[in-house]
Order: sequence, then structure tokens, then C-alpha cells
Amino acid sequence: SYVLTQPPSVSVAPGKTARITCGGNNIGSKSVHWYQQKPGQAPVLVIYYDSDRPSGIPERFSGSNSGNTATLTISRVEAGDEADYYCQVWDSSSDWVFGGGTKLTVL
Amino acid sequence: QLQLQESGPGLVKPSETLSLTCTVSGGSISSSSYYWGWIRQPPGKGLEWIGSIYYSGSTYYNPSLKSRVTISVDTSKNQFSLKLSSVTAADTAVYYCARSGGEVIDYWGQGTLVTVSS
Repeated sequence: SYVLTQPPSVSVAPGKTARITCGGNNIGSKSVHWYQQKPGQAPVLVIYYDSDRPSGIPERFSGSNSGNTATLTISRVEAGDEADYYCQVWDSSSDWVFGGGTKLTVL
Repeated sequence: QLQLQESGPGLVKPSETLSLTCTVSGGSISSSSYYWGWIRQPPGKGLEWIGSIYYSGSTYYNPSLKSRVTISVDTSKNQFSLKLSSVTAADTAVYYCARSGGEVIDYWGQGTLVTVSS
């Protein structure tokens, strides 16, 4: 089965840029989607197909995907961005695959 | 606006079958090209895909759970359901129902906590 690897935690000061990575074997050949989950809430899609933003998601959220790593970038981080972030791909053998999640802490 | 709502018992005994239903409102579950799925999240842990059902009725299950999972759809009630048999404490989790156009999960239910305990 396909495995996605995320760092357990990332810390960033307000106003700075946070980068959350998602590693997988040749992940650049797949489409990566990112979800934000705040405590007690369902996940919310923030980036789809590597770099597209759903309506209502700030332009501060962006994504990229190449080689063995996909990256979610959050610019000008705000306190309200503190949450868990999950990457996800669709794999022909494993269907919906999620990374282990990254806890973003705003210092 | 599409809405999904999970319902079912919040407490299930070990070795019994967990049964949940997801009611879809604001859209038809029979709409072509959509998958309807279940995802769970043990307390303090990450997301795990359980399985999905295509609008046509085709089902897809996580290999690690396949022997215990059944997902079905009731188009007359605009609902789809999850049955997970022979549950143990490891099946304690928040269970989410969700919709996907194939790859991207664009709508989620609010989730329901199911505890497995005697």
C-alpha cells in the first residue's frame, strides 16, 4: 500500500511562512490534496490537485508537488491557522490514503 | 449546500457490529460520478479511510478492514451506511462520512464518536 509521511509538528511565528511536507514514493506523479482540521471539527479542504484553492480559502495557502515531496505553504501565518494538516492522495491499490498529519503551532 | 450527517449508537460492545448511517441533504446520493465514503479517526490520532461506495453501487474497502466492513446505499432515503463487524477497543474513533468526486474529498459530515466498551 502507498504510504505518505508527514512531520508530526511544525512551529512558526506569526507573520512568518510555514511549510508542511508530505513525502511519498514518486508522489509528484500523483495529485495531492490538503486538509485542515481544528480541534473538535471535521477536516476542511484547503488545497486540491497539488495547488488549487477552494473558494473561501485565503491566498496565503498554496501547494506544490514534485519528485518525492509535496509541500503545503502557509504565508503570513496567523493564530487562526493553528491546526492539524493532512495530505491525501488517491492510489489505485489503496484508494484514499492519508498522511499521518502535522500539528501546526503558531508561537 | 450539500450536508452530510452521521447517526448511530455511540457505544458498541466488543465483538458486536458497529452500524452507522449517513444522511445526505441538499443533493442526491444518486448523482453520477460521486463516491460516498467513511473515514475514521481514533482519539488523538490521524485519519484512516474505511471504504467507499460509488453512486452505481460499486464498493471499495481498505484492505486492512475489508474482511469486517460492508458499505451500502439506500437511494430512496438518500442515505448510505457502514457496518463494521467484530469490533474491539481499537475501533473506538470518530467516524466521518464524506463525499468525493473521485480523488478529492469535498464534503464531510461533522463526525460521530463511537466507543467500543462493555
